Amino acid sequence: QTVVTQEPSLTVSPGGTVTLTCASSTGAVTSGYYPNWFQQKPGQAPRALIYSTNNKHSWTPARFSGSLLGGKAALTLSGVQPEDEAEYYCLLYHGGEGVFGTGTKVTVL
Amino acid sequence: EVQLVQSGAEVKKPGESLKISCQGSGYSFTRYWIGWVRQKPGKGLEWMGIIYPGDSETRYSPSLQGQVTISADKSVSTAYLQWRTLKASDTAMYYCARTDVDISNFASDYWGQGTLVTVSS
Repeated sequence: QTVVTQEPSLTVSPGGTVTLTCASSTGAVTSGYYPNWFQQKPGQAPRALIYSTNNKHSWTPARFSGSLLGGKAALTLSGVQPEDEAEYYCLLYHGGEGVFGTGTKVTVL
Repeated sequence: EVQLVQSGAEVKKPGESLKISCQGSGYSFTRYWIGWVRQKPGKGLEWMGIIYPGDSETRYSPSLQGQVTISADKSVSTAYLQWRTLKASDTAMYYCARTDVDISNFASDYWGQGTLVTVSS
């Protein structure tokens, strides 16, 4: 069973930049895993941010960007806003199966 | 406007059966896959499986195969998640998500509001 690991928690100052990563137990994450990123706030359904590594949805703020970094998928938040405080999940899709990451709690302080 | 509307909260006893639904509107229902995601209380998201309503092709997470059934009725633009025998460990919030899958893309974009399933004696 594939395990997808994210940082448990990260803290960032308002206006700062933070990068979240997403690693697979099977090896390097490539574009063929079609990394997706989602934001979830307490009591709400997840909201899609990024698909297929670095593509934004029409509603995704410009300060969110996706990439591949050192064999992992990455989500970078630049110019962080207080409303970005949330849990963030990656999703990797490979061989007909999706696996979510363990989630990263981002605190804006 | 694309919308996924899920059925309401359910309270069931262990051993009972259940079928919850996810109705899509505002887009061509047979053109996109529908995925199901589980979130147990206080825990992270788990990918359960996905169905293509156009031909009912279905893929399951290996850890959940045989425990649930995913189906769809394109005539009413609705996908379903079904249990034959519920267990207390099935207590969770369940989300559906519209997903575009092709050779160059995998994109889950619109999500339902969630259905809370509580299994307790």
